[in-house]
Amino acid sequence: GAGVSQSPRYKVAKRGQDVALRCDPISGHVSLFWYQQALGQGPEFLTYFQNEAQLDKSGLPSDRFFAERPEGSVSTLKIQRTQQEDSAVYLCASSLGDRKAFFGQGTRLTVV
Amino acid sequence: QKEVEQNSGPLSVPEGAIASLNCTYSDRGSQSFFWYRQYSGKSPELIMFIYSNGDKEDGRFTAQLNKASQYVSLLIRDSQPSDSATYLCAVNLDNYGQNFVFGPGTRLSVLP
Repeated sequence: GAGVSQSPRYKVAKRGQDVALRCDPISGHVSLFWYQQALGQGPEFLTYFQNEAQLDKSGLPSDRFFAERPEGSVSTLKIQRTQQEDSAVYLCASSLGDRKAFFGQGTRLTVV
Repeated sequence: QKEVEQNSGPLSVPEGAIASLNCTYSDRGSQSFFWYRQYSGKSPELIMFIYSNGDKEDGRFTAQLNKASQYVSLLIRDSQPSDSATYLCAVNLDNYGQNFVFGPGTRLSVLP
């Protein structure tokens, strides 16, 4: 596609529910990142993939967060047993590996 | 602990003036520096990047980097109301790492 595509754009989850957020990177981009952005804050790094390999997951806040990119293209960020503090915009970005990252529109997660 | 700091603003400038946005970073090993613009409710958009000390100009935008002072800035000349947005500074530690650390952003308001 022309840009990074994320779905759903909005997700409301009840506390304790599992959610899955999808990211379709720009075709050919080997690097894929997930960020969490709270209201009024800058994006916080969660995890990074190069192709299908998850090279850095140091930003995942707890073991409830899990990300995968099994075929080196589409990625899914899964949050188990959601808590209210998980409410944020989840941003996916991709790049050719030249450090210029292009962001998707994000998924706004609200946990009620 | 990698930290990137910015004044949260809002920074208000009249239309046609120069807007100056500043960013400091704590990790002296940082190698590459990026400025993203984020409109309210939208995803960050890359507008400038700089790797070497000095100035880099692109249209109305100039990025300035001083590694000795651990300081990077963005100047916007002939500011327009459409420049009103939050400007995020992002820092990458090394030439191969992909973990971008973002500052909290500075909100710029250009008054007609």
